[in-house]
Amino acid sequence: DAMVIQNPRYQVTQFGKPVTLSCSQTLNHNVMYWYQQKSSQAPKLLFHYYDKDFNNEADTPDNFQSRRPNTSFCFLDIRSPGLGDAAMYLCATSKRTDRGETQYFGPGTRLLVL
Amino acid sequence: TQLLEQSPQFLSIQEGENLTVYCNSSSVFSSLQWYRQEPGEGPVLLVTVVTGGEVKKLKRLTFQFGDARKDSSLHITAAQPGDTGLYLCAGAGVSNTGKLIFGQGTTLQVKP
Repeated sequence: DAMVIQNPRYQVTQFGKPVTLSCSQTLNHNVMYWYQQKSSQAPKLLFHYYDKDFNNEADTPDNFQSRRPNTSFCFLDIRSPGLGDAAMYLCATSKRTDRGETQYFGPGTRLLVL
Repeated sequence: TQLLEQSPQFLSIQEGENLTVYCNSSSVFSSLQWYRQEPGEGPVLLVTVVTGGEVKKLKRLTFQFGDARKDSSLHITAAQPGDTGLYLCAGAGVSNTGKLIFGQGTTLQVKP
């Protein structure tokens, strides 16, 4: 089945130790998104790629970076995780159309910062 | 700035009861999605509505998109414990920026 895959599902890191989360998709969608979600809140968009074009949200801290080496893969790098970065990180994909688009989410990576 | 007001934020009901969740905005959306999310998992798409006045049914769930495409509702008939979760509405703006505007979410608990 076509899907969005995130690895790992759970990540424990130490304060200040860089961490990379990965996302892959078999939907062949041209847009990939990274969201941060804290308990029982709506997801907060960090950035997204439209093909190779990177679009950063104005309030996304510089501590968060992303790479998209090809259509299928996208990575979220947290350069120096703080305690406040503990959250669920969600990857989503969509195929841009003229009538807006539907986003499909992966299962998420739960990040714990010690 | 587009906003999507979702209500109620919390709902605790008994099995068999009916409920409705609302999402309202002053802005027009080109489409609106409803998601359900279980703890520790990603949001799962329930439905996308794109046409004003559209009604879609998914078993016991009925989704409606307002005529002006500014609001939507989710109605669950005879709720079951398996319906427990976080329900999110999310609208795609007419400017087609690729971003979704999310409501605050509704945490639903259905007690057996």
